[in-house]
Amino acid sequence: DTGVSQNPRHKITKRGQNVTFRCDPISEHNRLYWYRQTLGQGPEFLTYFQNEAQLEKSRLLSDRFSAERPKGSFSTLEIQRTEQGDSAMYLCASRDTGSTGGYTFGSGTRLTVV
Amino acid sequence: TQLLEQSPQFLSIQEGENLTVYCNSSSVFSSLQWYRQEPGEGPVLLVTVVTGGEVKKLKRLTFQFGDARKDSSLHITAAQPGDTGLYLCAGARGTNAGKSTFGDGTTLTVKP
Repeated sequence: DTGVSQNPRHKITKRGQNVTFRCDPISEHNRLYWYRQTLGQGPEFLTYFQNEAQLEKSRLLSDRFSAERPKGSFSTLEIQRTEQGDSAMYLCASRDTGSTGGYTFGSGTRLTVV
Repeated sequence: TQLLEQSPQFLSIQEGENLTVYCNSSSVFSSLQWYRQEPGEGPVLLVTVVTGGEVKKLKRLTFQFGDARKDSSLHITAAQPGDTGLYLCAGARGTNAGKSTFGDGTTLTVKP
């Protein structure tokens, strides 16, 4: 198992464009999480899935953000009409349901909106 | 309002020194994790603590969970430059492995 994989590692986009990120979790993990992290801050929760079901979505997440996990394996996070304030590191993590252990994180996607 | 407060925010020490960083909350957590993060990478899990008063050791790192499960500390003995990084604590409430909430971390620099 290669761990949690995120693509792309870096994305530079112009304000107003749409972007999509992909996350491939550890195959045995049925829970998948998206977090956002800005400089000097800890990761901020965005949303999570159990298999293909989206169980929780942060109130901080505007309607420009959408996430999917159609087959309960990989997930995508799309940001429409990007704004400069969307610039951040987007982190994906996975773990098993019922686990009291921590997450396994991917290396993240660094988004810069210019 | 930050659910988990970490202190200090920044810490710079010389190689060989000991240090302790703290993670405090007014909320009770069912489990608490510590992570270490390097620039441009995702956090890496160091330890999970679940029982009040629990102490776990990982080589030169000692983790303690408060008796009331509201706070935790990380102690590093004889710090090395390779310990440099951002140390994050994260807490989960409830037993169904929902989301975890992170503190803003302690940035540790160990100078050779």
